[in-house]
Amino acid sequence: QSALTQPPSVSGSPGQSVTISCTGTSSDIGTYYRVSWYQQPPGTAPKLMIYEVSNRPSGVPDRFSGSKSGNTASLTISGLQAEDEADYYCRSYTTRSTYVFGTGTKVTVL
Amino acid sequence: EVQLVQSGAEVKKPGATVKLSCKVSGYTFTDYFMHWVQQAPGKGLEWMGLVDPEDGETKYAEKFQGRLTITADTSTDTAYMELSSLRSEDTAVYYCATDVIFGVVTKAGYWGQGTLVTVSS
Repeated sequence: QSALTQPPSVSGSPGQSVTISCTGTSSDIGTYYRVSWYQQPPGTAPKLMIYEVSNRPSGVPDRFSGSKSGNTASLTISGLQAEDEADYYCRSYTTRSTYVFGTGTKVTVL
Repeated sequence: EVQLVQSGAEVKKPGATVKLSCKVSGYTFTDYFMHWVQQAPGKGLEWMGLVDPEDGETKYAEKFQGRLTITADTSTDTAYMELSSLRSEDTAVYYCATDVIFGVVTKAGYWGQGTLVTVSS
């Protein structure tokens, strides 16, 4: 199972919006709504930001939103803040009853 | 409060086996799958496998099939990850993690603090 494809980096100024794409196949994202997104600041454990494509866990700001179209999922951060600077990973369930992570995207706040 | 507390750092020689633990508290252990994730230095997250503590059923990533064993001890609310035939490429931080846990008030996913495994001769 190959990793899902994410852009290596995205950047934006404070207050702007950025969108991270996560491209898979019909064997994962294209079939299931079990897509999650994780935020990982340097030197820390990942944190769940979005589950089941578009649902936010408690305490996650509504600036974070998720969506899916076909084989591609997306995470949008609106009103970018300095504290959002981190690595972000998507994860999907697969037709083999396993999971696969994306390649990861570094978000830089200019 | 939900907590996942992992065992301490390990140093192993190539060819050896390592067994890590992840003790949970604050929720019903058997209600949620436990995942294990590998992160090599400077690299991304890699899903290794999971266990259903309710019945012990496991799923493993193809990459780790044959070397990986994940178990759950419901008497101590502890999950274990055992990786054998270690090689230098297995040097990484290993995390245990849950999916979303739906509490009375909150819903969140939880991760352990991570355990560094160093494989070196």
